[in-house]
Amino acid sequence: AQSVTQLDSQVPVFEEAPVELRCNYSSSVSVYLFWYVQYPNQGLQLLLKYLSGSTLVESINGFEAEFNKSQTSFHLRKPSVHISDTAEYFCAVTRDSSYKLIFGSGTRLLVRP
Amino acid sequence: NAGVTQTPKFQVLKTGQSMTLQCAQDMNHNSMYWYRQDPGMGLRLIYYSASEGTTDKGEVPNGYNVSRLNKREFSLRLESAAPSQTSVYFCASGGTGTAAGSPQHFGDGTRLSIL
Repeated sequence: AQSVTQLDSQVPVFEEAPVELRCNYSSSVSVYLFWYVQYPNQGLQLLLKYLSGSTLVESINGFEAEFNKSQTSFHLRKPSVHISDTAEYFCAVTRDSSYKLIFGSGTRLLVRP
Repeated sequence: NAGVTQTPKFQVLKTGQSMTLQCAQDMNHNSMYWYRQDPGMGLRLIYYSASEGTTDKGEVPNGYNVSRLNKREFSLRLESAAPSQTSVYFCASGGTGTAAGSPQHFGDGTRLSIL
């Protein structure tokens, strides 16, 4: 069975500092990986995804994530965060031929001035 | 573009009451989903519909029923609400064709409290 682990429930960081949100998954088959962001009182929005090819994927607002098959990880990074990045971030996994997304428990990123 | 629309946005029920949460999407997606979100537990799949006319149980289906009314609409019904069903409910729709690798698009949620 697949599962997703986000070890950090909350990550406080100062504005303009770098941040890494950790995500590990378990699966015996090839997977597709996603990061979603949820701003207060809103639904989830896709931030970036890994399907195949280059292991480093980027979003339009400066986030990037690297697929590491040997470590079964898909950590999310940003070199310099903004106050507006304060939100909850969810890592999710699915596999070929499956309609189901498996979500991690989420990491709340709190950016302080 | 509306995307995925959920109604109502907020609801308070008494234990034992019933209600239906509505969801509609305008992206011509085949697959639709209902999740519940509880603190510290991420999103858990209640039911999904891979295509019009089909529905399947997810991780936490007990106490819920669903109806895929047509390609656009997918409703979630609580027949006899219980306090344990207090949660935020999200509807999502996926891509056309095979859903694998296609991102899901989410509504803004329904905040449901059962007293």
